Amino acid sequence: AQSVTQLGSHVSVSEGALVLLRCNYSSSVPPYLFWYVQYPNQGLQLLLKYTSAATLVKGINGFEAEFKKSETSFHLTKPSAHMSDAAEYFCAVFGGGYNKLIFGAGTRLAVHP
Amino acid sequence: DTGVSQDPRHKITKRGQNVTFRCDPISEHNRLYWYRQTLGQGPEFLTYFQNEAQLEKSRLLSDRFSAERPKGSFSTLEIQRTEQGDSAMYLCASSLTGKLSTDTQYFGPGTRLTVL
Repeated sequence: AQSVTQLGSHVSVSEGALVLLRCNYSSSVPPYLFWYVQYPNQGLQLLLKYTSAATLVKGINGFEAEFKKSETSFHLTKPSAHMSDAAEYFCAVFGGGYNKLIFGAGTRLAVHP
Repeated sequence: DTGVSQDPRHKITKRGQNVTFRCDPISEHNRLYWYRQTLGQGPEFLTYFQNEAQLEKSRLLSDRFSAERPKGSFSTLEIQRTEQGDSAMYLCASSLTGKLSTDTQYFGPGTRLTVL
């Protein structure tokens, strides 16, 4: 069965600091991997996706993620946090015989001045 | 491209009542998904359609839940005899699946259900 683990349910950073949100997946075959962001009382917005092309994926709002097969990881980073980045972030996996997204529990990012 | 829309955005109902939610996907998308999200959790898959065919249902989808996509366009999700445990955000997503697609799912704003 596929699963996604997001380490750290809450992450707090200072404005301008590096953002690192961790995601590990388990899948028997190379999956598609996604990061979504959710602002309060809203749906999920796609940040970026890995679909077996380049291992370093660039997304919107300055975010990027690197697929590391040997570590089964897909961590999300942003060099410099902005106050508007405060939200909940979800990592998800699709494929490997499963025709649905399987989500991690999410990481709430707080950005303080 | 107007995105995925959901109606209503909020629904408050009393236990035992029936509720129905609607989702309008991105127009050319052939797949439509329903997920449920409870507070502090990631979304959980409920069911999905490819065109008008319902291809998979989660065991989370009890017999009180039914979903339809009659003409392969919009979809409805009905919950009969609602229970307090049904209180959640119900999210709809759509995607275009096919040879050159990556099955990227785009989400609507969700319907927040509160059962009193």
